Amino acid sequence: AQSVTQLDSHVSVSEGTPVLLRCNYSSSYSPSLFWYVQHPNKGLQLLLKYTSAATLVKGINGFEAEFKKSETSFHLTKPSAHMSDAAEYFCVVTGMNRDDKIIFGKGTRLHILP
Amino acid sequence: KAGVTQTPRYLIKTRGQQVTLSCSPISGHRSVSWYQQTPGQGLQFLFEYFSETQRNKGNFPGRFSGRQFSNSRSEMNVSTLELGDSALYLCASVPTPGQATYGYTFGSGTRLTVV
Repeated sequence: AQSVTQLDSHVSVSEGTPVLLRCNYSSSYSPSLFWYVQHPNKGLQLLLKYTSAATLVKGINGFEAEFKKSETSFHLTKPSAHMSDAAEYFCVVTGMNRDDKIIFGKGTRLHILP
Repeated sequence: KAGVTQTPRYLIKTRGQQVTLSCSPISGHRSVSWYQQTPGQGLQFLFEYFSETQRNKGNFPGRFSGRQFSNSRSEMNVSTLELGDSALYLCASVPTPGQATYGYTFGSGTRLTVV
Protein backbone atom coordinates (compact mmCIF):
# COMPACT_ATOMS: atom_id res chain seq x y z
CA ALA A 1 0.00 0.00 0.00
CA GLN A 2 1.12 3.53 -0.64
CA SER A 3 0.64 6.73 1.33
CA VAL A 4 1.98 10.24 1.38
CA THR A 5 2.25 12.71 4.26
CA GLN A 6 2.82 16.41 3.90
CA LEU A 7 4.26 17.46 7.21
CA ASP A 8 3.07 21.08 7.23
CA SER A 9 -0.40 22.32 6.37
CA HIS A 10 0.82 25.94 6.18
CA VAL A 11 4.26 27.42 5.53
CA SER A 12 5.07 31.13 5.58
CA VAL A 13 8.29 32.58 4.19
CA SER A 14 9.43 36.07 3.31
CA GLU A 15 9.90 37.00 -0.32
CA GLY A 16 13.47 36.26 -1.41
CA THR A 17 14.08 33.60 1.25
CA PRO A 18 14.28 29.82 0.66
CA VAL A 19 11.23 27.59 0.52
CA LEU A 20 11.05 24.08 1.98
CA LEU A 21 7.87 22.01 1.72
CA ARG A 22 8.16 18.59 3.30
CA CYS A 23 6.77 15.31 2.04
CA ASN A 24 7.23 11.76 3.30
CA TYR A 25 5.94 8.73 1.47
CA SER A 26 5.34 5.09 2.14
CA SER A 27 5.49 2.51 -0.60
CA SER A 28 6.20 -1.18 -0.73
CA TYR A 29 8.02 -0.76 -4.02
CA SER A 30 9.64 1.96 -6.12
CA PRO A 31 7.19 4.81 -6.30
CA SER A 32 6.69 7.60 -8.75
CA LEU A 33 6.50 10.92 -6.91
CA PHE A 34 5.19 14.27 -8.04
CA TRP A 35 4.69 17.78 -6.81
CA TYR A 36 1.73 19.76 -8.10
CA VAL A 37 0.80 23.38 -7.47
CA GLN A 38 -2.72 24.76 -7.32
CA HIS A 39 -3.52 28.44 -7.48
CA PRO A 40 -6.94 29.60 -6.23
CA ASN A 41 -9.85 28.22 -8.27
CA LYS A 42 -7.49 26.56 -10.68
CA GLY A 43 -6.61 22.99 -11.52
CA LEU A 44 -3.36 21.33 -10.52
CA GLN A 45 -0.20 22.07 -12.46
CA LEU A 46 2.69 19.60 -12.51
CA LEU A 47 5.83 21.13 -11.00
CA LEU A 48 8.13 18.14 -11.20
CA LYS A 49 8.26 14.34 -11.08
CA TYR A 50 10.54 11.57 -9.92
CA THR A 51 10.35 8.28 -11.79
CA SER A 52 13.53 6.39 -10.69
CA ALA A 53 16.01 8.35 -12.79
CA ALA A 54 18.09 11.12 -11.15
CA THR A 55 17.32 11.60 -7.45
CA LEU A 56 17.55 15.39 -7.71
CA VAL A 57 14.71 16.56 -9.89
CA LYS A 58 14.42 20.06 -11.31
CA GLY A 59 11.02 21.46 -12.12
CA ILE A 60 9.42 24.61 -13.39
CA ASN A 61 9.64 28.05 -11.81
CA GLY A 62 12.93 27.28 -10.04
CA PHE A 63 11.58 24.46 -7.87
CA GLU A 64 13.45 21.24 -7.26
CA ALA A 65 13.03 18.14 -5.12
CA GLU A 66 15.33 15.41 -3.91
CA PHE A 67 14.26 11.78 -3.62
CA LYS A 68 15.83 10.24 -0.51
CA LYS A 69 14.99 6.58 -0.27
CA SER A 70 16.67 6.11 3.14
CA GLU A 71 14.48 8.87 4.60
CA THR A 72 11.42 8.09 2.44
CA SER A 73 11.25 11.79 1.68
CA PHE A 74 10.66 13.96 -1.36
CA HIS A 75 10.92 17.53 -0.10
CA LEU A 76 10.28 20.48 -2.41
CA THR A 77 12.67 23.43 -2.32
CA LYS A 78 13.25 26.76 -4.00
CA PRO A 79 16.22 29.03 -3.27
CA SER A 80 14.30 32.31 -3.35
CA ALA A 81 10.56 32.72 -2.92
CA HIS A 82 8.53 35.00 -5.14
CA MET A 83 5.12 36.46 -4.40
CA SER A 84 3.67 34.46 -7.30
CA ASP A 85 4.64 31.22 -5.50
CA ALA A 86 1.81 31.72 -3.02
CA ALA A 87 -0.44 28.71 -3.66
CA GLU A 88 -1.25 25.23 -2.39
CA TYR A 89 1.22 22.45 -3.10
CA PHE A 90 0.44 18.76 -3.28
CA CYS A 91 2.81 15.84 -2.99
CA VAL A 92 1.54 12.85 -4.93
CA VAL A 93 2.58 9.20 -5.13
CA THR A 94 1.67 6.47 -7.54
CA GLY A 95 3.18 3.13 -8.44
CA MET A 96 4.77 1.79 -11.55
CA ASN A 97 1.90 -0.59 -12.26
CA ARG A 98 -0.98 0.42 -14.47
CA ASP A 99 -3.50 -0.50 -11.78
CA ASP A 100 -1.92 1.68 -9.11
CA LYS A 101 -4.06 4.53 -7.86
CA ILE A 102 -2.77 8.03 -7.43
CA ILE A 103 -2.55 9.16 -3.79
CA PHE A 104 -2.57 12.85 -2.88
CA GLY A 105 -1.13 14.46 0.20
CA LYS A 106 -3.36 16.83 2.16
CA GLY A 107 -1.60 19.85 0.70
CA THR A 108 0.63 22.62 2.05
CA ARG A 109 -0.51 26.21 1.75
CA LEU A 110 2.51 28.44 1.02
CA HIS A 111 2.24 32.06 2.14
CA ILE A 112 4.76 34.63 0.91
CA LEU A 113 5.33 37.61 3.18
CA PRO A 114 6.38 40.89 1.57
CA LYS B 1 -1.92 21.68 -27.97
CA ALA B 2 -5.13 22.22 -26.00
CA GLY B 3 -5.17 21.14 -22.37
CA VAL B 4 -7.82 19.29 -20.43
CA THR B 5 -11.12 21.12 -20.78
CA GLN B 6 -13.83 20.95 -18.17
CA THR B 7 -17.28 22.40 -18.56
CA PRO B 8 -19.01 24.19 -17.06
CA ARG B 9 -16.62 26.11 -14.79
CA TYR B 10 -19.29 26.94 -12.24
CA LEU B 11 -22.63 25.38 -11.34
CA ILE B 12 -25.25 26.10 -8.72
CA LYS B 13 -27.80 23.37 -8.08
CA THR B 14 -30.52 22.69 -5.54
CA ARG B 15 -30.56 19.71 -3.19
CA GLY B 16 -32.19 16.70 -4.80
CA GLN B 17 -31.33 17.72 -8.35
CA GLN B 18 -28.85 15.92 -10.54
CA VAL B 19 -25.86 17.31 -12.40
CA THR B 20 -23.61 16.27 -15.28
CA LEU B 21 -20.05 17.50 -15.65
CA SER B 22 -17.95 17.15 -18.78
CA CYS B 23 -14.24 16.59 -19.36
CA SER B 24 -12.37 16.59 -22.66
CA PRO B 25 -8.86 15.18 -22.28
CA ILE B 26 -5.77 16.24 -24.13
CA SER B 27 -5.86 14.99 -27.70
CA GLY B 28 -4.48 11.47 -27.78
CA HIS B 29 -5.03 10.86 -24.07
CA ARG B 30 -7.39 7.94 -23.53
CA SER B 31 -7.34 7.66 -19.73
CA VAL B 32 -9.48 10.10 -17.75
CA SER B 33 -9.82 10.25 -13.99
CA TRP B 34 -12.04 12.34 -11.75
CA TYR B 35 -11.40 13.82 -8.32
CA GLN B 36 -13.44 15.67 -5.73
CA GLN B 37 -11.72 18.43 -3.80
CA THR B 38 -13.19 19.86 -0.59
CA PRO B 39 -11.58 21.87 2.22
CA GLY B 40 -12.30 19.12 4.73
CA GLN B 41 -11.41 15.99 2.79
CA GLY B 42 -8.82 17.31 0.36
CA LEU B 43 -8.47 15.58 -2.98
CA GLN B 44 -10.30 12.29 -3.29
CA PHE B 45 -10.27 9.92 -6.22
CA LEU B 46 -13.69 9.27 -7.76
CA PHE B 47 -13.06 7.00 -10.73
CA GLU B 48 -10.91 6.36 -13.78
CA TYR B 49 -11.96 5.51 -17.31
CA PHE B 50 -9.95 4.02 -20.13
CA SER B 51 -11.27 2.91 -23.50
CA GLU B 52 -14.85 3.54 -22.36
CA THR B 53 -14.45 1.21 -19.37
CA GLN B 54 -14.28 2.10 -15.70
CA ARG B 55 -10.96 0.76 -14.39
CA ASN B 56 -10.87 2.01 -10.82
CA LYS B 57 -13.39 3.48 -8.44
CA GLY B 58 -12.98 5.39 -5.21
CA ASN B 59 -15.14 5.17 -2.09
CA PHE B 60 -18.11 7.23 -3.15
CA PRO B 61 -21.80 6.32 -3.05
CA GLY B 62 -23.62 5.06 -6.12
CA ARG B 63 -25.06 8.54 -6.69
CA PHE B 64 -21.73 9.31 -8.33
CA SER B 65 -21.34 7.76 -11.73
CA GLY B 66 -19.45 8.38 -14.92
CA ARG B 67 -18.90 7.26 -18.45
CA GLN B 68 -16.47 7.69 -21.27
CA PHE B 69 -17.23 8.06 -24.94
CA SER B 70 -15.39 6.67 -27.93
CA ASN B 71 -13.63 10.02 -28.45
CA SER B 72 -12.29 9.74 -24.84
CA ARG B 73 -14.44 12.57 -23.55
CA SER B 74 -15.85 11.74 -20.16
CA GLU B 75 -18.84 12.81 -18.13
CA MET B 76 -19.59 12.38 -14.48
CA ASN B 77 -23.07 12.50 -13.04
CA VAL B 78 -24.22 13.10 -9.51
CA SER B 79 -27.84 12.31 -8.74
CA THR B 80 -29.93 13.42 -5.76
CA LEU B 81 -27.50 16.16 -4.84
CA GLU B 82 -26.67 16.79 -1.19
CA LEU B 83 -25.17 19.90 0.39
CA GLY B 84 -21.98 17.92 1.04
CA ASP B 85 -21.49 17.42 -2.69
CA SER B 86 -20.45 21.06 -2.98
CA ALA B 87 -16.84 20.84 -4.16
CA LEU B 88 -14.36 21.49 -6.92
CA TYR B 89 -14.47 18.54 -9.31
CA LEU B 90 -11.24 17.98 -11.19
CA CYS B 91 -10.57 15.85 -14.19
CA ALA B 92 -7.14 14.63 -15.29
CA SER B 93 -5.83 12.72 -18.27
CA VAL B 94 -2.85 10.61 -19.30
CA PRO B 95 -2.22 8.80 -22.59
CA THR B 96 -2.86 5.36 -21.06
CA PRO B 97 -3.00 4.08 -17.46
CA GLY B 98 0.46 2.59 -17.80
CA GLN B 99 1.83 6.07 -18.48
CA ALA B 100 0.57 7.60 -15.26
CA THR B 101 4.15 7.84 -14.08
CA TYR B 102 4.69 10.64 -16.57
CA GLY B 103 2.26 12.80 -14.58
CA TYR B 104 -1.37 13.66 -14.99
CA THR B 105 -2.58 16.81 -16.73
CA PHE B 106 -5.45 18.41 -14.86
CA GLY B 107 -8.28 20.61 -16.03
CA SER B 108 -9.26 23.81 -14.23
CA GLY B 109 -12.19 22.09 -12.58
CA THR B 110 -15.91 22.60 -12.18
CA ARG B 111 -16.99 24.39 -9.01
CA LEU B 112 -20.30 22.86 -7.92
CA THR B 113 -22.35 24.59 -5.25
CA VAL B 114 -25.41 22.82 -3.87
CA VAL B 115 -27.93 25.04 -2.09
